[in-house]
Amino acid sequence: SQQGEEDPQALSIQEGENATMNCSYKTSINNLQWYRQNSGRGLVHLILIRSNEREKHSGRLRVTLDTSKKSSSLLITASRAADTASYFCATGVNSGYALNFGKGTSLLVTP
Amino acid sequence: DSGVTQTPKHLITATGQRVTLRCSPRSGDLSVYWYQQSLDQGLQFLIQYYNGEERAKGNILERFSAQQFPDLHSELNLSSLELGDSALYFCASSHRTGGYQETQYFGPGTRLLVL
Repeated sequence: SQQGEEDPQALSIQEGENATMNCSYKTSINNLQWYRQNSGRGLVHLILIRSNEREKHSGRLRVTLDTSKKSSSLLITASRAADTASYFCATGVNSGYALNFGKGTSLLVTP
Repeated sequence: DSGVTQTPKHLITATGQRVTLRCSPRSGDLSVYWYQQSLDQGLQFLIQYYNGEERAKGNILERFSAQQFPDLHSELNLSSLELGDSALYFCASSHRTGGYQETQYFGPGTRLLVL
């Protein structure tokens, strides 16, 4: 069953704009990860934020985590056409090893 | 390139048939995970192996089975295939046991179409 739920389901922006995607989850986590998937291809790990962290940066990516609200956000700044992809948040349940993925946010960046 | 390889890339078969999907993890990774991605169910965890032993099970049907061999490659066997088994099947690997949900590295997937 999906643990994370991304919002919005789809997002369309122009190059240069920022894109913000949100993820909500239901149970306690050890960490939360964001992955990107280009159409029909494998997932690529973007960033991992631990439950004791509130914010993390990686290049043009900024992830926040609010464990009290059980939510996370992914911000992509100065977006590019190459950022067009689906973005998934992934969590584990308690001590589980595998990742539970949401249904993703589909991002379209137009030139 | 994640370093995880999967074969075949595409597979078309008929209902009732059996297929085997193969995965080679990144060099040095001991854990292998299998996921199924379909339009209606999204991306779902099927099963995990660590160093040859089954470590965790998710939403894996009884018609499906997997194993991890001494060289750490893994195979996912799907039998008595149904139309609803059509999906993208991903293999992922991570270095250790996967405790605390380590970063996982995904292969390119096998697209299965059951006709």
